[in-house]
Amino acid sequence: RKEVEQDPGPFNVPEGATVAFNCTYSNSASQSFFWYRQDCRKEPKLLMSVYSSGNEDGRFTAQLNRASQYISLLIRDSKLSDSATYLCVANNNNDMRFGAGTRLTVKP
Amino acid sequence: GAGVSQSPRYKVAKRGQDVALRCDPISGHVSLFWYQQALGQGPEFLTYFQNEAQLDKSGLPSDRFFAERPEGSVSTLKIQRTQQEDSAVYLCASSATGVQYFGPGTRLLVL
Repeated sequence: RKEVEQDPGPFNVPEGATVAFNCTYSNSASQSFFWYRQDCRKEPKLLMSVYSSGNEDGRFTAQLNRASQYISLLIRDSKLSDSATYLCVANNNNDMRFGAGTRLTVKP
Repeated sequence: GAGVSQSPRYKVAKRGQDVALRCDPISGHVSLFWYQQALGQGPEFLTYFQNEAQLDKSGLPSDRFFAERPEGSVSTLKIQRTQQEDSAVYLCASSATGVQYFGPGTRLLVL
């Protein structure tokens, strides 16, 4: 069993839709959490950190539930340019564990 | 400023050949990480350096894999006697404050 599990998708949504991704992690010692975005044949790029209180960056909202060891990402008003793979990450003292990613395609 | 760079970007090797992959981290970043990413998977941790010290190499899949960072800056990942299962993208990341920034990766194909 992988330490970080994500629904692989694919999620195919129309422009303007709201889409939510979920992720669970098994290591309760994990201290920090991130969502990375990876475009096809490119490197992962940091989308946002995830805080216990929940945090928002424009159309993106991330939530963390430490008790359930669950992380989520909500994308509102999705754009064509949001099409990518979204990687959930749990970090324990520089030991970063990545999920396999959730693939999103936003269609016109 | 300049990001993390890696070379070569693509490498085709014959089975049994040795390869060396280079990573230039962001200037001043103390921490450097190597990952292996297979098709359709997330990056898998290989090894981690803080300056020149290799603090964790638990992710290296076999003793054919070796990494070094002798002066605490540039790092090299070496794979000896490559096997077909070594075919993957090898990603390097560097960090100063916990957030890791990735290079473009080296796509290795072993025939």
